[in-house]
Amino acid sequence: DQQVKQNSPSLSVQEGRISILNCDYTNSMFDYFLWYKKYPAEGPTFLISISSIKDKNEDGRFTVFLNKSAKHLSLHIVPSQPGDSAVYFCAATTNAGKSTFGDGTTLTVKP
Amino acid sequence: DSGVTQTPKHLITATGQRVTLRCSPRSGDLSVYWYQQSLDQGLQFLIQYYNGEERAKGNILERFSAQQFPDLHSELNLSSLELGDSALYFCASSVGSSGGGLAKNIQYFGAGTRLSVL
Repeated sequence: DQQVKQNSPSLSVQEGRISILNCDYTNSMFDYFLWYKKYPAEGPTFLISISSIKDKNEDGRFTVFLNKSAKHLSLHIVPSQPGDSAVYFCAATTNAGKSTFGDGTTLTVKP
Repeated sequence: DSGVTQTPKHLITATGQRVTLRCSPRSGDLSVYWYQQSLDQGLQFLIQYYNGEERAKGNILERFSAQQFPDLHSELNLSSLELGDSALYFCASSVGSSGGGLAKNIQYFGAGTRLSVL
């Protein structure tokens, strides 16, 4: 049972446009949701997060939206830049510290 | 640089062998996590240690074991290796384990150990 799902394995957008990466989850006990970015030959790095009591968190070009009723979150990148091309992992964490990762979405931003 | 160090970077071995992967967490982090990423797959959580104690277990095979030492470094032991064990193995660390709020649950990843079983 995959509790965190990223249904789109890949996404391609034009530079300057918006990138929207989606993530669905099934466990209503998750307390925090995080996005990690991974470049080839490197480990994932933390990008942005949101608490389950919030519905939006913004950090520069990155905004995460949480829809608890739909058990859905999304990451918006505006404007997208070629350097944003990477694999993005959605992760959900319980307050007990256990994290579950999605399978990742490969974002390609074309110049 | 995340501050998490994994050694070795690459490991090539044969089926049936045993290997040990090592992880040094960020200074001050008490939790260590191990993940497996097979080709084109997501991050599969294997196991978590907090201050020397096993805290959570994921899809870790019985042939695999791990431990966290008093100096907080961790080792992942893989034995009776099979071709399917070839993967990237990531270690991550975080400050806390439970009830610590969001900041204490952010994980910092090492660059990974690429294991090739031939």
